[in-house]
Amino acid sequence: AQSVAQPEDQVNVAEGNPLTVKCTYSVSGNPYLFWYVQYPNRGLQFLLKYITGDNLVKGSYGFEAEFNKSQTSFHLKKPSALVSDSALYFCAVRDAYNTDKLIFGTGTRLQVFP
Amino acid sequence: GAVVSQHPSRVICKSGTSVKIECRSLDFQATTMFWYRQFPKQSLMLMATSNEGSKATYEQGVEKDKFLINHASLTLSTLTVTSAHPEDSSFYICSAQGQAYPIGATEAFFGQGTRLTVV
Repeated sequence: AQSVAQPEDQVNVAEGNPLTVKCTYSVSGNPYLFWYVQYPNRGLQFLLKYITGDNLVKGSYGFEAEFNKSQTSFHLKKPSALVSDSALYFCAVRDAYNTDKLIFGTGTRLQVFP
Repeated sequence: GAVVSQHPSRVICKSGTSVKIECRSLDFQATTMFWYRQFPKQSLMLMATSNEGSKATYEQGVEKDKFLINHASLTLSTLTVTSAHPEDSSFYICSAQGQAYPIGATEAFFGQGTRLTVV
């Protein structure tokens, strides 16, 4: 069965510091991996995805994520956090052999302090 | 990215009435649309998947007679909450995706969400 784990409910970081939001996955086939961000009372905005190719994926707003097959991880990173990055972040996976559904993690709330 | 418009953004209705929520893909043809429900401080729960012109596929535990989904065109899907009750109060989000190769590789684009309050 497909699953996604985001082990941290909340991540706190000071503005200007690097941030990492963790995600691990489990699929039977090759994974298609996605990161989304949600601001209060809004839908989700797409940040980036990994389908194939380079393990380091660059996305919107300066975010990037690194696909690590051996550790089955897809951690979201940003070199220098902004207060405006404070939001709820969701990791999601779709199995290449079962492409109907996008399975979401439980979400990680990122709080960036000035 | 592509734009998905969801309407209304907020609705309050009386218990026992029905509410319709629309989800439109504005600049692409959505072969598949998804409806999610999100409880406070929780992740998204997939309710159903709909493909244009066919019946929606509901997730286990979701009452299809209560949550009616229609996907009549490649740009519009609707969710109707019938005979709403206070426990149906929630944040409902739709998403849409077009065709891509490899299949499943495309990201889904999300509507702004609808906050439903049943009083």
